[in-house]
Amino acid sequence: EDQVTQSPEALRLQEGESSSLNCSYTVSGLRGLFWYRQDPGKGPEFLFTLYSAGEEKEKERLKATLTKKESFLHITAPKPEDSATYLCAVQERNRDDKIIFGKGTRLHILP
Amino acid sequence: NAGVTQTPKFQVLKTGQSMTLQCAQDMNHEYMSWYRQDPGMGLRLIHYSVGAGITDQGEVPNGYNVSRSTTEDFPLRLLSAAPSQTSVYFCASSYYDRGQETQYFGPGTRLLVL
Repeated sequence: EDQVTQSPEALRLQEGESSSLNCSYTVSGLRGLFWYRQDPGKGPEFLFTLYSAGEEKEKERLKATLTKKESFLHITAPKPEDSATYLCAVQERNRDDKIIFGKGTRLHILP
Repeated sequence: NAGVTQTPKFQVLKTGQSMTLQCAQDMNHEYMSWYRQDPGMGLRLIHYSVGAGITDQGEVPNGYNVSRSTTEDFPLRLLSAAPSQTSVYFCASSYYDRGQETQYFGPGTRLLVL
């Protein structure tokens, strides 16, 4: 059973069309939830860490939010350069600091 | 700072061969880890280390060994390569600052086992 599930698997948007990516998790106690961006052929690039329900963080056109069961990555007025795979990961409390990744959402922004 | 570096960028092995994937970081991070990334699957943790001299197994440790003799280096050894180990391998290091963890990834090593 997947502990971290991301949806949708892939998303195509027009430039300027805002949307949200979802990350749901089923760990018993959350220590932290992470968002990364990964470009083809490169390593993941850290975006945000969220620790408690209700927390929000922003960076340029991206805003990450957290509830007790899921996190959303909101993309406002995206540009073609926002095209990438977005990865979500969770760190479970009392599990030796291991970080578990979801399979990612492939985002493609059309000009 | 160079960040997290990995060598080689690409490697082809024959079944049964052994090799070491190198990983180094110059940020003085205590925590380092190795992941593999396969199509249709998330990043999976192979081994990790919370500091020099301390290592532990992740989700998929079989067929791999690690050691951590210094803070900077965290090599991953494939003992006897198998086609199932064909993958992209990422090394990462992380630190805690004021209660926030930040993880940095290297550029990856693409491994093909024939």
